[in-house]
Amino acid sequence: DADVTQTPRNRITKTGKRIMLECSQTKGHDRMYWYRQDPGLGLQLIYYSFDVKDINKGEISDGYSVSRQAQAKFSLSLESAIPNQTALYFCATSVAGGSNTQYFGPGTRLTVL
Amino acid sequence: AQKVTQAQTEISVVEKEDVTLDCVYETRDTTYYLFWYKQPPSGELVFLIRRNSFDEQNEISGRYSWNFQKSTSSFNFTITASQVVDSAVYFCALTARDYKLSFGAGTTVTVRA
Repeated sequence: DADVTQTPRNRITKTGKRIMLECSQTKGHDRMYWYRQDPGLGLQLIYYSFDVKDINKGEISDGYSVSRQAQAKFSLSLESAIPNQTALYFCATSVAGGSNTQYFGPGTRLTVL
Repeated sequence: AQKVTQAQTEISVVEKEDVTLDCVYETRDTTYYLFWYKQPPSGELVFLIRRNSFDEQNEISGRYSWNFQKSTSSFNFTITASQVVDSAVYFCALTARDYKLSFGAGTTVTVRA
């Protein structure tokens, strides 16, 4: 089984709809992250959480919110989806300290019409 | 602020040729980590290698090798004897004191049979 899972893997929605993307991990890592990837670009950090009670905004948090329900679960919400939020979304995890090597989930491809 | 630059947008080679990917980084921190990730056509992000700022020893792991030079702020990555399965987008990334991972824009490698 994959260590970091994301659901759904693909989603098509309409402008104005509320969308939730979910991430679960079995790696036992404290830190979790949400990124988005646009075609031809690298990854941009949306939100990150170093533990259940610690949530921080990344570079592009506007239009997004997150919830860290447990150490193993970190969900991303788009309150009112808009077309320019069409992207590939990745969840990642890392262990505290050291190199902070991040391990990524398989991604969720979101299309907002 | 941190910045990672991958000047090569695309590289195309014939199978068995060597491929070298360039990465230049900027950071004010003296302790940092550099990474290479691979994104195959299936879309997932796979961690390949990691190097910390205190270890400039270059290494080889199978067909992968890397050249880390602090004097030129470069962390280049080489695939020896490329194979079709190496076709992917390769990302260089950097993390430092704030534990955020900064990505380059990626280099698309196409290996032709």
